[in-house]
Amino acid sequence: DVKVTQSSRYLVKRTGEKVFLECVQDMDHENMFWYRQDPGLGLRLIYFSYDVKMKEKGDIPEGYSVSREKKERFSLILESASTNQTSMYLCASIPGRGGETQYFGPGTRLLVL
Amino acid sequence: LAKTTQPISMDSYEGQEVNITCSHNNIATNDYITWYQQFPSQGPRFIIQGYKTKVTNEVASLFIPADRKSSTLSLPRVSLSDTAVYYCLVRRNFNKFYFGSGTKLNVKP
Repeated sequence: DVKVTQSSRYLVKRTGEKVFLECVQDMDHENMFWYRQDPGLGLRLIYFSYDVKMKEKGDIPEGYSVSREKKERFSLILESASTNQTSMYLCASIPGRGGETQYFGPGTRLLVL
Repeated sequence: LAKTTQPISMDSYEGQEVNITCSHNNIATNDYITWYQQFPSQGPRFIIQGYKTKVTNEVASLFIPADRKSSTLSLPRVSLSDTAVYYCLVRRNFNKFYFGSGTKLNVKP
């Protein structure tokens, strides 16, 4: 089974702090994604990466950056956390560019005070 | 954008068949329709994906009419453990997934 893990299930940070969310997949997938999920808004794509050191902006990249130094690891960075970034963050991966489905991690619930 | 629209919530009873319909009027020729299930405090989990007509797997069926502007997820004989949020989404290429807001299914005993 494909496994996508996220470093924390719950995180509490203060406004202005730099926040790192880590995601690791163990199946050598090329593509990795970061979403945020908010009530009534579904899942919205923040960034995705199609290869090591390659990234593209999603629909809501403002206030976020990403890093992919190794194929299995995709990090989401909040340079200066704000209260409107309180949300559930979900990481996902896909093997290639065919019709495969996304595999999601369990999510990190971030609270910014 | 390939916007999807689905009911906010549905109620059902154990043993019933549940049909959740999603509209995706702006679907493009090469887009696929995908459904995910999500339980509280978990990431979404793939249920079924289709392009046209009917697709069936061990947990669900997906019905897509010829114009592809809507799709219906069918869950046969639901149980309490099927209580979850169900997301309809349009998949465009390998990296574009347009999620709806989700349908919260509540299965009652």
